[in-house]
Amino acid sequence: DIQMTQSPSAMSASVGDRVTITCRASQGISNDLAWFQQKPGKVPKRLIYAASSLQSGVPSRFSGSGSGTEFTLTISSLQPEDFATYFCLQHNSYPHTFGQGTKLEIK
Amino acid sequence: QVQLVESGGGLVKPGGSLRLSCAASGFTFSDYYMSWIRQAPGKGLEWVSYISTSGASVYYADSVKGRIAVSRDNAKNSLYLQMNSLRAEDTAVYYCARLLGGNWGQGTLVTVSS
Repeated sequence: DIQMTQSPSAMSASVGDRVTITCRASQGISNDLAWFQQKPGKVPKRLIYAASSLQSGVPSRFSGSGSGTEFTLTISSLQPEDFATYFCLQHNSYPHTFGQGTKLEIK
Repeated sequence: QVQLVESGGGLVKPGGSLRLSCAASGFTFSDYYMSWIRQAPGKGLEWVSYISTSGASVYYADSVKGRIAVSRDNAKNSLYLQMNSLRAEDTAVYYCARLLGGNWGQGTLVTVSS
C-alpha cells in the first residue's frame, strides 16, 4: 500500500501569509493526487486535481505542484475563510490513501 | 448539477449489519466509478472502497475487507455499501463520492455501540 505522509500536521498563520503544505508518497504516483479542504461539520471540498489543476470555482490563490513522490499545496495569500483542515489523496493505486491532514489555524 | 445523497446510517450493535445507499443524479451514473470514504469523529479521512462502472471490479481498504461489500445498480442510479460484523471502530460518517469529478455526498453517520 502507498503511504501518504502529510506535513505539517498543524500550523498557525496570519491573514496574508503564504502557506505551503506537503504530501510525500511512499512510492511514485505520477500526478494522481488531489487536495481537499474541509471545514468543521462540512463535506470535504476538492481544491486541486491531477496534482496541479485548479478545481473550477476555487480561488487562484490556491495552487498545487509536484509529481512522483513529492507534492505541495500552496496558498499564496491566506484569507480568513481559508482556515480549515487540508488533506491530500493519492488515487494512483488501490487502496487509495489520504494524508493525515493539516489543520491550519489563525495566529 | 451533480447530487449524491446517502442514506441508511444509524445506530447498530457490535456484530450487526447495515446497508448504506447513495442516490446519484445530475450525471450519467453508469459512466463513472464510485467510491466510499469514511471519517471517524474528530479524525481524518479514510478511503473505504471502489467500484468500477459496471460493478465487475471492486477494491476495499484492508480495515474493512471481508466485512463489507460494495455494489451498484446503474438502472437505479444507486450505489450501495453492505456492512457486516460491524465494530466500534467502524463508527464514522460515510460519504459516497465521484472522485473523478470531486463530488461528495453529505454523508450518513454510522454509530456502532451497544
